[in-house]
Amino acid sequence: QSVLTQPPSASGTPGQRVTISCSGSSSNIGSNYVYWYQQLPGTAPKLLIYRNNQRPSGVPDRFSGSKSGTSASLAISGLRSEDEANYYCAAWDDSLSGLFGGGTKLTVL
Amino acid sequence: QVQLQESGPGLVKPSETLSLTCTVSGGSISSYYWSWIRQPPGKGLEWIGYIYYSGSTNYNPSLKSRVTISVDTSKNQFSLKLRSVTAADTAMYYCARATDYGDFPDYMDVWGKGTTVTVSS
Repeated sequence: QSVLTQPPSASGTPGQRVTISCSGSSSNIGSNYVYWYQQLPGTAPKLLIYRNNQRPSGVPDRFSGSKSGTSASLAISGLRSEDEANYYCAAWDDSLSGLFGGGTKLTVL
Repeated sequence: QVQLQESGPGLVKPSETLSLTCTVSGGSISSYYWSWIRQPPGKGLEWIGYIYYSGSTNYNPSLKSRVTISVDTSKNQFSLKLRSVTAADTAMYYCARATDYGDFPDYMDVWGKGTTVTVSS
């Protein structure tokens, strides 16, 4: 059972907008930054969003992150088939331990 | 461009010690946090711990009693030891770099490809 809670699955059709939620507590998301990682099948995770809503260079602006209180969300607009992957939220807690959500498998229908 | 490469035995016997090394190439090991993360087959990511280049460490409380992470700055490497392994430790093990943001770990922007470790007799 992960400390950060994500829905196990999400889906959408090409072109749609999809959101993935991540719920934590005051000692992790509530007081620290949230990060999002994308893991394509058979590959290592890739940083998608950092410090709640910042995109690394090379990440399309179709991906956006937000945070409110002890929850965060990842939004993907203009869904594409290559977005089919597992998505993980992450945060450091107040003791600087790393936390990951359980992961959300995104299916592009 | 910084790259990370995990190395170590792919098979470890139950009750023995799992030992992995991550080699950092294309950049310095200084001024970053260096983490180990694992992923059991078909499951999610679990943070194991990190070491700062200066040597300070922080471990997942659930693994703390069995884990040691060390760094060798002269070789640009950091290592993981996990003692008394069981089948539950079978996983893909990744090393990753976390940036230093005001003396705190920040985002993990560089990851190794991962190495599979199976615990079995």
